Amino acid sequence: AQTVTQSQPEMSVQEAETVTLSCTYDTSESDYYLFWYKQPPSRQMILVIRQEAYKQQNATENRFSVNFQKAAKSFSLKISDSQLGDAAMYFCAYRRHGGSQGNLIFGKGTKLSVKP
Amino acid sequence: DSGVTQTPKHLITATGQRVTLRCSPRSGDLSVYWYQQSLDQGLQFLIQYYNGEERAKGNILERFSAQQFPDLHSELNLSSLELGDSALYFCASSTPVAGDYNEQFFGPGTRLTVL
Repeated sequence: AQTVTQSQPEMSVQEAETVTLSCTYDTSESDYYLFWYKQPPSRQMILVIRQEAYKQQNATENRFSVNFQKAAKSFSLKISDSQLGDAAMYFCAYRRHGGSQGNLIFGKGTKLSVKP
Repeated sequence: DSGVTQTPKHLITATGQRVTLRCSPRSGDLSVYWYQQSLDQGLQFLIQYYNGEERAKGNILERFSAQQFPDLHSELNLSSLELGDSALYFCASSTPVAGDYNEQFFGPGTRLTVL
């Protein structure tokens, strides 16, 4: 079974600085998707960024980028120029590729605080 | 606004009771997923429906059941409620697109409190 591990329960960053959230996963499959979701205090789940395992190029979305290391099964999220609005829980998630089951497998989350 | 709606927003009930949570997917989405978010278990997948049929099951208790209706809305039924069932229940929907990737759009969740 696939598992997702986030080893940092809490992180803190100064506004305008850069922070990296860690995620490792375990799977025997070669093709899959990885995601980072943001959950602000409103509890809404918001997709931040996704990565297809077959793509070597790391995904980037504005201030958010990932470092995808397939061999190491590592998928970290880098947030540049941190803003107060980035304060939230961040969840790393895995989804298998293909087949009919598209459910997400989530890590336990990292609570990010942004200091002004 | 993701386009996925869930009702009610909040639900407070007593142990042993039964409740029904409702989800309306985005227009055109055929798949509905139910997830449970609790303090001790984190975010867990419960069950998936696709166009009215059950497609995948996760860590769903036997006391829980779900269905998807012809208009594609879905209901999650929780019975014989226990204190440990208190959680935030999310519904997400997606639609098949060319290729395999189909983003899941999450509703705002239903906060269930069992007293």
